[in-house]
Amino acid sequence: QKEVEQDPGPLSVPEGAIVSLNCTYSNSAFQYFMWYRQYSRKGPELLMYTYSSGNKEDGRFTAQVDKSSKYISLFIRDSQPSDSATYLCAMRTGGATNKLIFGTGTLLAVQP
Amino acid sequence: DTGVSQDPRHKITKRGQNVTFRCDPISEHNRLYWYRQTLGQGPEFLTYFQNEAQLEKSRLLSDRFSAERPKGSFSTLEIQRTEQGDSAMYLCASKPGFTDTQYFGPGTRLTVL
Repeated sequence: QKEVEQDPGPLSVPEGAIVSLNCTYSNSAFQYFMWYRQYSRKGPELLMYTYSSGNKEDGRFTAQVDKSSKYISLFIRDSQPSDSATYLCAMRTGGATNKLIFGTGTLLAVQP
Repeated sequence: DTGVSQDPRHKITKRGQNVTFRCDPISEHNRLYWYRQTLGQGPEFLTYFQNEAQLEKSRLLSDRFSAERPKGSFSTLEIQRTEQGDSAMYLCASKPGFTDTQYFGPGTRLTVL
């Protein structure tokens, strides 16, 4: 079993829809949670960063962490065609290395 | 452009050949990471440098792989005797010591024929 599970999709939504992306994890030592966006043939780009449980909002993006359920989510409001990309959840423990453990990524297509 | 750069962007090689990739991190980022990403998967951690010291290596990094960061600036990743299973995107990321954000480069896509 992988430490981080993520539905690979693909997920197709119409422009303006609310998108919900999710990951579950098994390692209770994970403390820091991130969402990266990756366009085709590009490197990942950090979208959201959260520490411990709770919500964090940044523009159209909201990240949620529920450590009791080992479940994290990313919500995208008023989705745009430019949001079409692969969304990767990532997390790490509090160790000194800061190495990230990624999910498989969810491919999102926002149809105009 | 002051982001992380990687060279080459694409590499096609024959099985058994050696290849070397280069990563130039953002200036003054003392931490540098290598990840590998295969099709349909998320990046997997390979190794980590703090300045010139290689502090952690994943079990994914077999004896055919070696990474260096000789002066604590750029880094190289060499794969000897390449195998078809080495075909992947090799990503480099860097970060300063005081933040949690890793900045990724565009990656080097390796195809082993």
